[in-house]
Amino acid sequence: DAKTTQPNSMESNEEEPVHLPCNHSTISGTDYIHWYRQLPSQGPEYVIHGLTSNVNNRMASLAIAEDRKSSTLILHRATLRDAAVYYCILRGTNSNSGYALNFGKGTSLLVTP
Amino acid sequence: DTGVSQDPRHKITKRGQNVTFRCDPISEHNRLYWYRQTLGQGPEFLTYFQNEAQLEKSRLLSDRFSAERPKGSFSTLEIQRTEQGDSAMYLCASSLAELGPLYEQYFGPGTRLTVT
Repeated sequence: DAKTTQPNSMESNEEEPVHLPCNHSTISGTDYIHWYRQLPSQGPEYVIHGLTSNVNNRMASLAIAEDRKSSTLILHRATLRDAAVYYCILRGTNSNSGYALNFGKGTSLLVTP
Repeated sequence: DTGVSQDPRHKITKRGQNVTFRCDPISEHNRLYWYRQTLGQGPEFLTYFQNEAQLEKSRLLSDRFSAERPKGSFSTLEIQRTEQGDSAMYLCASSLAELGPLYEQYFGPGTRLTVT
């Protein structure tokens, strides 16, 4: 499986934008880039996903590099509720493991008032 | 609340005892997953079901672990002869199979197991 690399931790001030990077240099052409986050004491929750084009939804934006070897999750205005561990995950079209998620360690985001 | 529920939320047991956890997925979801998460790590895949069929088990799922989904609805995960290394958060997730990698998984709140 293609691997992702994320910083262990990042810090942001409340109401400022946050850019969470992810490197995936061995990504294949059919791998989707998914982001999940896990708030303290909760199960993970889906944030956003994309293949080639940048994507926006109510939670965040996903910027994908032209060569697809990296991507960035953008939180436009961080709130204290956004403090969580953010996971960048590649999901291929190979149905092994039923598309189970390979989480890695993620990036722990600290948001300060 | 994602619509996926797990019971119990916390379980403390003594080494050597058996424990069973239950997961109720979102009702129309035909795929169900179990993950395990230890402190400071991301969740790790254990096994998954499509309807009532268990289609894959990871190497993490030792012989002491068994999972069932008898009618394609709720699922149970049993650990026999628990060991201290089994202490972890056990997470359940569900999804629709048809959309494959495009469809997100919905996670329950997890069951935290402590083996003393």
